[in-house]
Amino acid sequence: KNQVEQSPQSLIILEGKNCTLQCNYTVSPFSNLRWYKQDTGRGPVSLTIMTFSENTKSNGRYTATLDADTKQSSLHITASQLSDSASYICVVSADRGSTLGRLYFGRGTQLTVWP
Amino acid sequence: ETGVTQTPRHLVMGMTNKKSLKCEQHLGHNAMYWYKQSAKKPLELMFVYSLEERVENNSVPSRFSPECPNSSHLFLHLHTLQPEDSALYLCASSQEVERGYEQYFGPGTRLTVT
Repeated sequence: KNQVEQSPQSLIILEGKNCTLQCNYTVSPFSNLRWYKQDTGRGPVSLTIMTFSENTKSNGRYTATLDADTKQSSLHITASQLSDSASYICVVSADRGSTLGRLYFGRGTQLTVWP
Repeated sequence: ETGVTQTPRHLVMGMTNKKSLKCEQHLGHNAMYWYKQSAKKPLELMFVYSLEERVENNSVPSRFSPECPNSSHLFLHLHTLQPEDSALYLCASSQEVERGYEQYFGPGTRLTVT
């Protein structure tokens, strides 16, 4: 069964600290993996997208890694800021099937950054 | 701003009401989507449109009726909803209905059914 599991479910860190969010998936065949940031009351915004051949991709203080062999991805946030408080959603796309069947969403990790 | 707008941002309706959600994209994209986001659940893809034609329809109850009059506008017509339909409804668009194209999301409509 194709699934996307994210951990932790929620996380609280102090401003300026680093943190790492995890995404494990069983989606096959794999096409790509995206990390989205969703602020409260807003729509998700794409942070990174990685295909099978990419191991790491950065977007400012956000760095995503992908291990296609173990089917794991992580999102590392460096020097966190208050504005990083949001839900981070992992989305995995399968390489075949209908559009509705291709996208698999995680439940998200709720990150709170305290001053 | 992502280039995708949604109105209204908040909506409270009774179970016997009829209302519509509106989505507009200013990105020149050919594909548009409706998603439902319930608390502590993954995003659920409801409908997909490509070039104004409905490409796919998930197992969505008939009380939700989508309409795509042109490639820039997408509506979701609601009637006789249930309290469990209360959720954040997100619209998204992408260049094409293909797995490689990034989806751009609107801010969503927070729907409460009383």
